Parts: sequence; C-alpha cells; structure tokens
Amino acid sequence: AQTVTQSQPEMSVQEAETVTLSCTYDTSESDYYLFWYKQPPSRQMILVIRQEAYKQQNATENRFSVNFQKAAKSFSLKISDSQLGDAAMYFCASHHSNYQLIWGAGTKLIIKP
Amino acid sequence: KAGVTQTPRYLIKTRGQQVTLSCSPISGHRSVSWYQQTPGQGLQFLFEYFSETQRNKGNFPGRFSGRQFSNSRSEMNVSTLELGDSALYLCASSLDGRTPREQYFGPGTRLTVT
Repeated sequence: AQTVTQSQPEMSVQEAETVTLSCTYDTSESDYYLFWYKQPPSRQMILVIRQEAYKQQNATENRFSVNFQKAAKSFSLKISDSQLGDAAMYFCASHHSNYQLIWGAGTKLIIKP
Repeated sequence: KAGVTQTPRYLIKTRGQQVTLSCSPISGHRSVSWYQQTPGQGLQFLFEYFSETQRNKGNFPGRFSGRQFSNSRSEMNVSTLELGDSALYLCASSLDGRTPREQYFGPGTRLTVT
C-alpha cells in the first residue's frame, strides 16, 4: 500500500531563517509524483512545489526547494528566508497511477517574528 | 482563468438527511477528484472522475457517491448523514489526472452534521 509519513506534527522557525520539513513515502511504483501543499487558516489548499519521480534534479520554486532522495523514499521541503505568510499547515502528498493523492498527516509551521 | 469553485461553502445538516455538493473545475480540466478532510483522519481520497467516468474510488461506504457531467462539473452526494461525516470536502481539478503537473483545489465545502 502507498503511504506518506510526516513525522513532525509541528515546527517553528524564526522569521528570515531556514526550516526543513520532513516527508517519507512508500510505493512500489516507479512512476509517480510528489507534492508539497500549503493550507493556511483559510483552508484553501495551495500547491507549493512538485517533483516528478523520474527527474533526479531537485525542484525549486523561489524560496522553496526539495531534497528528493528516491532510493531512501524521502522528500523534504526547505523553506529559506521564512516569512510570516509562510505560517500554515504543510502537507506532503504522492500521486500514483490510480489517480489519487495519498496524503501525509501534515506539519504545522509556526513563524516567530 | 477562473479557479475551482465549490458550492455551497458552508452547510449544516441533520443526521439522516442527504446532501449534494458541487464542484466546477478550471476551464479545460477534465479530471475532478474529491477529498474529505477531518481532524481525526486527515485527508482521504473519495473518488476521481474523468470524462464522466469514475476511475477510482476510495475506501468509503456506499452512502458516498458522485458523478460528473459532460461539462466536467462534478457533484458528490452523501445519503443518510452521520455525525462523522462532518468535514471539509475538497475538490481538485487537473487536465487529465494521470500526470498531475498541476492539481488545483477549490476552497472546500464545510459540512456540519448535527
């Protein structure tokens, strides 16, 4: 069965610092996608970054980057220069050939001013 | 381009009633997925539709059903509501669902069952 695990229920970081959120997953498929989504208090789910499993290069989107370790089935999110607007729940998710997203339990990110 | 819209945004129902939620995908998107989000169970996949066909269904009882229309709009129905059905219901749309380069979510429908 496909699973996604986020072992950090909550993380806090000082504004302008860097924080890394962890995610591990399990799948027997070779072709899949990995995502990080952000859900602020408004509950709107926002795509932060995506990674295609066949790509070795780590994805980056401005201040957000991932460390994708395919053999270890690890997919961590690094947020640089943290801003107050980054405060939210962050969900790691995987997408497979059965058309569904498998979600982690989420990590609550707190930004300290 | 308009985003994914969900109606209604908030809903209060009584146990035993039924409810229908609607999702309009981004124009040109043909895949619509539904997810249930609760504090206890987190985010769980309900079903996915593409071109009016259900391609996959999550592990939910038969009280949960859905459909997709020819314009890609989708509805989900929950019959005989239970207290445990109280949740945020999210729908997401993508071009084809198989290679989700971008999967966009609607704002959700908050269902409260009393």
